Amino acid sequence: GAGVSQTPSNKVTEKGKYVELRCDPISGHTALYWYRQSLGQGPEFLIYFQGTGAADDSGLPNDRFFAVRPEGSVSTLKIQRTERGDSAVYLCASSPGGQDYGYTFGSGTRLTVV
Amino acid sequence: AQSVTQLGSHVSVSEGALVLLRCNYSSSVPPYLFWYVQYPNQGLQLLLKYTSAATLVKGINGFEAEFKKSETSFHLTKPSAHMSDAAEYFCAVSAPSGNTPLVFGKGTRLSVIA
Repeated sequence: GAGVSQTPSNKVTEKGKYVELRCDPISGHTALYWYRQSLGQGPEFLIYFQGTGAADDSGLPNDRFFAVRPEGSVSTLKIQRTERGDSAVYLCASSPGGQDYGYTFGSGTRLTVV
Repeated sequence: AQSVTQLGSHVSVSEGALVLLRCNYSSSVPPYLFWYVQYPNQGLQLLLKYTSAATLVKGINGFEAEFKKSETSFHLTKPSAHMSDAAEYFCAVSAPSGNTPLVFGKGTRLSVIA
């Protein structure tokens, strides 16, 4: 597609439930990144994929968070047993690869845990 | 490890006045530096980037930034503010190799007063 697409744009879930957030990157972009942005803060790195594999998952806060990218394009961020502190905007970005390109971001998924 | 510090969480300027948003970086290697803009309820958009070529970098919407190694700074400027420049601005840093993810600052909210 022309840009990075994230679905849903908004998600409200009850504490303890499981959620999946989807990211469809720009076609041909090999690198895909997930960030989390809390109110009044900058984006915080979660995980980075190069192709199908997670090249760096050091930003995942705990084992309730998991992400996959099985075919090297679409990625899903999965959160188990959601907590109110998980409420944030989850941003996905993609890049052709290489450090000098910068990232193209999607509009994000606003997750609210009630 | 890389980090950035954005001085001033909120900057207010009059329409037509100079815009100056400050960013200082910390990096153990020569960094790549980026400025992103975020409009309400949207993802981040790349304004400009420094990737070790010219130290004065011009971006979109009339913005520019200068990399100053001696001051470890990468401040964003625009000669004349427009109402449409009101947004959140983020400075980000990465290492030039190794596919390390971008590290963002906390952001500066720019308000433009008519």
